[in-house]
Amino acid sequence: DAGVIQSPRHEVTEMGQEVTLRCKPISGHDYLFWYRQTMMRGLELLIYFNNNVPIDDSGMPEDRFSAKMPNASFSTLKIQPSEPRDSAVYFCASSPKGDEQYFGPGTRLTVT
Amino acid sequence: AQSVAQPEDQVNVAEGNPLTVKCTYSVSGNPYLFWYVQYPNRGLQFLLKYITGDNLVKGSYGFEAEFNKSQTSFHLKKPSALVSDSALYFCAVRDRYSGAGSYQLTFGKGTKLSVIP
Repeated sequence: DAGVIQSPRHEVTEMGQEVTLRCKPISGHDYLFWYRQTMMRGLELLIYFNNNVPIDDSGMPEDRFSAKMPNASFSTLKIQPSEPRDSAVYFCASSPKGDEQYFGPGTRLTVT
Repeated sequence: AQSVAQPEDQVNVAEGNPLTVKCTYSVSGNPYLFWYVQYPNRGLQFLLKYITGDNLVKGSYGFEAEFNKSQTSFHLKKPSALVSDSALYFCAVRDRYSGAGSYQLTFGKGTKLSVIP
């Protein structure tokens, strides 16, 4: 199994631009999680899905952030418009039953 | 509300010596507890979990953790450290009764483990 796949691995963009991060979970996993990691705030859960349905998006910082899961093998996290404070490493994780989570390699986002 | 504290930002240990990475937690109900490891420029990897039963949990790479309900702790241990164990370690907690279908894990800030040759 290839594990959780995230793209791009690195993204550098200018403030105000739209950013789309992509994730392919492990096949057969029913849960998908989006996290953000920064030095100041550590690892924060943004949103998670169960069977493609968003369950808890209370961690999404504001309306500029949106996430979708159109099918069991693909999810996106979109930031529009992006701001410098959005600079972080964004992780996608998937899980068969919710607790034991398998993380992707992350996308390092830099907003200038 | 649920929270995790990892009181040490960094732990240094000599190769071959036992290691302990500390974690304390707070939940309103009973906890599910986890340890993850993160190597540089990589995502987190699952090490072990405590759900119920035996207080001593064994996980990957020779790691184990001891659940202590009275002290609300879940310390990570290994009898003999390897240089390759050097990484960032995260403790995480979920309240067992946080709601049907709720799988929101709360992670600690992480502890950097350095194993010195």
